[in-house]
Amino acid sequence: DTAVSQTPKYLVTQMGNDKSIKCEQNLGHDTMYWYKQDSKKFLKIMFSYNNKELIINETVPNRFSPKSPDKAHLNLHINSLELGDSAVYFCASSQDVGAGNTIYFGEGSWLTVV
Amino acid sequence: QKEVEQDPGPLSVPEGAIVSLNCTYSNSAFQYFMWYRQYSRKGPELLMYTYSSGNKEDGRFTAQVDKSSKYISLFIRDSQPSDSATYLCAMSDVDSGYALNFGKGTSLLVTP
Repeated sequence: DTAVSQTPKYLVTQMGNDKSIKCEQNLGHDTMYWYKQDSKKFLKIMFSYNNKELIINETVPNRFSPKSPDKAHLNLHINSLELGDSAVYFCASSQDVGAGNTIYFGEGSWLTVV
Repeated sequence: QKEVEQDPGPLSVPEGAIVSLNCTYSNSAFQYFMWYRQYSRKGPELLMYTYSSGNKEDGRFTAQVDKSSKYISLFIRDSQPSDSATYLCAMSDVDSGYALNFGKGTSLLVTP
């Protein structure tokens, strides 16, 4: 069973399009995250939700909008895609917020904007 | 954001060698230290987790934290080709405890 699953795994799209990446976790965790890994492999947090409420929103353009319909799902919608949005997006989850919680990552979604 | 520094490598070692991977950091408030392993085209998976200073051992892996020097290490004994991956250090503190601060990762290749 996949603990944190995200779809699609690969996405190639044109500039200006709107796209979504879906994420689901079956671990019963309360907290979910979106991380971005850029071309230099640097992994950086974008958003964090705890019990469907936004708790972290890093300096991410407004074109990125997370949505959490329930605790097990955290989707990422991106409007007006730009070339610089090309990256790998990782969904993750942890039991709860707080520094001591182990974070489990999905396998990533490779987004290429052309 | 360059709170966590990590040499990207690549680091190439022969099978059976002892591997030493390191990170330095600037935020003295960090208390939780982790090492993640990331295979190509996969998500990071947690290898080791340490709270505050000290050593932790798990099989062939040993994690060390020296808070006074703001320096953490991961040692891999009897390295195997299957250990070839990117190793990312990560850390967090109570104040920003909701998010992990990652190093850029060190690419390791263990040759047979």
